[in-house]
Amino acid sequence: QLQESGPGLVKPAGTLSLTCTVSGDSISNSLWWTWVRQPPGEGLKWVGEISHTGTANYSPSLRGRVTMSLDKANNQLSLNLTSVTAADTAIYYCARTSKIQYYYYIDVWGTGATVVVSS
Amino acid sequence: DVQMTQSPSTLSASVGDTVGISCQAGRDIDRYLNWYKQRPGEAPQLLIFGATTLQSGVPSRFSGSGSGMFFTLTIRGLQPEDAATYYCQQSYTLQVVTFGGGTRVEIK
Repeated sequence: QLQESGPGLVKPAGTLSLTCTVSGDSISNSLWWTWVRQPPGEGLKWVGEISHTGTANYSPSLRGRVTMSLDKANNQLSLNLTSVTAADTAIYYCARTSKIQYYYYIDVWGTGATVVVSS
Repeated sequence: DVQMTQSPSTLSASVGDTVGISCQAGRDIDRYLNWYKQRPGEAPQLLIFGATTLQSGVPSRFSGSGSGMFFTLTIRGLQPEDAATYYCQQSYTLQVVTFGGGTRVEIK
């Protein structure tokens, strides 16, 4: 199971910080951990992913503002997004990316954390 | 980025109908294509990976087809619980993963 947590309200120009707690599995056992966001009334947008070794890939549209990290001791992953604007208002999902043969797919999703950027 | 285009954006059908959702990739992505279902207020769930492989626990009325640039999700014998938004996702370029814009399925 995956559970996101963090402030539900962030001020413009501030930093959005979310934590995802993984239970029932070790974050060291999975290939990639992924963040996906969904702005109100819109579709799914890939934010980025981090491997169990700490290698990260980020969405080009967020590169420079986004950082992901792993806390293996606490079996958590985190997302930081700086210089936020109202456009960053969304439900943020953490998820597990798995692989069979050469095919990668997101097979476990958190329940989602709603973050609103507003003063 | 590999652009993913879904059509239609919305479709309306009756219980028992067979419906198809199309997904077109901006380049050849072989079979690195996944489908997800998202019901209102819920997180997405995986339906199909590798273009055609049904995820464990997903009803057999769901099927996927296609390769290269053109893919289809088919639902045979539409059920009320299939009312949802469906997304395709390419995993060909792992460094930048992209989703389609979504197709909303409504039950008449």
